[in-house]
Amino acid sequence: EVQLVESGGALVQPGGSLRLSCAASGFTFSSYEMNWVRQAPGKGLEWVSYISSSGRTIYYADSVKGRFAISRDNAENSLYLQMDSLRAEDTAVYYCARPRETGGAPDYWGQGTLVTVSS
Amino acid sequence: AIQMTQSPSSLSASVGDRVTITCRASQGIKNDLGWYQQKPGKAPKLLIYAASSLQSGVPSRFSGSGSGTDFTLTISSLQPEDFATYFCLQDYNYPRTFGQGTKVEIK
Repeated sequence: EVQLVESGGALVQPGGSLRLSCAASGFTFSSYEMNWVRQAPGKGLEWVSYISSSGRTIYYADSVKGRFAISRDNAENSLYLQMDSLRAEDTAVYYCARPRETGGAPDYWGQGTLVTVSS
Repeated sequence: AIQMTQSPSSLSASVGDRVTITCRASQGIKNDLGWYQQKPGKAPKLLIYAASSLQSGVPSRFSGSGSGTDFTLTISSLQPEDFATYFCLQDYNYPRTFGQGTKVEIK
């Protein structure tokens, strides 16, 4: 069974840092691209970042470019999101999401981890 | 970035009703579109991929159509468990972009 389990969400002050993790199981993690998607309280979904299966290709939303860094450890079946210079508008539930086997729209999502940026 | 304009933002419907939600892309995206259902406190659930392909395990009352810039999600006969928020997602290129969402409420 495919499972994605996020962790690392917390309350952090503006300007602070946080590292999110996503533990993957039930599939060959090293064969899949991965994404982070977030959802601010009561708002819609916002794509945050993408990483290829090898880790060599990475994309970011303009809203996080230069502040967030996506990475992965295929030996540990884990995906990460390093979040620096956090702002109030980064407050959201963060999901890791795996595209379908043939690519495209993610079919597996974690349960999400809440990041709150507030003083 | 491709903009996805979803409408309506909300609708009220009764059990058994036929419901239609639309998404329009700001440029052509072939058939690279997915539809999701989300319930409060839960992760999104993929319903439709490649604009019209039903994801495994999803009831056949859900269907998708369209290509290029205009797409539609149809629920043929609304069931009590279908009251939720629905989003479209273009997976044509990066940055990926979602529609704003449609909240389907009980009339």
